[in-house]
Amino acid sequence: GESVGLHLPTLSVQEGDNSIINCAYSNSASDYFIWYKQESGKGPQFIIDIRSNMDKRQGQRVTVLLNKTVKHLSLQIAATQPGDSAVYFCAENIGGGSYIPTFGRGTSLIVHP
Amino acid sequence: GAGVSQSPSNKVTEKGKDVELRCDPISGHTALYWYRQRLGQGLEFLIYFQGNSAPDKSGLPSDRFSAERTGESVSTLTIQRTQQEDSAVYLCASRELAGGSSFVDTQYFGPGTRLTVL
Repeated sequence: GESVGLHLPTLSVQEGDNSIINCAYSNSASDYFIWYKQESGKGPQFIIDIRSNMDKRQGQRVTVLLNKTVKHLSLQIAATQPGDSAVYFCAENIGGGSYIPTFGRGTSLIVHP
Repeated sequence: GAGVSQSPSNKVTEKGKDVELRCDPISGHTALYWYRQRLGQGLEFLIYFQGNSAPDKSGLPSDRFSAERTGESVSTLTIQRTQQEDSAVYLCASRELAGGSSFVDTQYFGPGTRLTVL
């Protein structure tokens, strides 16, 4: 049967703190990266994306950093709020015309009021 | 406007039975995807439809899995002779053209169908 008790990596923060969620990607040929937020019982929701020719991109309260040398991606959330509590996934896409991103396992963010 | 909808939201079935899951994409979205998400895991790609092109079935785990799409509208994912390891949330996404704050086409996900095989 299916395993039970699988635990996602978890990040616990206090409301108002900044959060940093990390992701290691696998394919050096990936040219596009996306962060998604998934709340309990819902499908993933797009947050922000970045191309491989960039190393930083900012959105509203979020910043994505890309380090291609070590194949690392991070999502920074400023002034974290309880509503930010969710599972966050990074995804990479190799490009070449077919858009089928590969998703990482996810990190659970818990924001304590 | 309406988002991606999926039905049923929950499905409990017995091992060996066939199940059919439905996805209604956002109107006008030409691309549609099916993913599987096991407990505590990321999303596993199953199949991708783009317009009238032949679907990319490279993610289907076995020949028990199949999917169809009628034009650029409804899609159904069928799992035959279900097994306990098929228990998961099945997510559908449709894709719009790039614009706004995203670089490329954005996927919009439905809420998923939670499948439990006893």
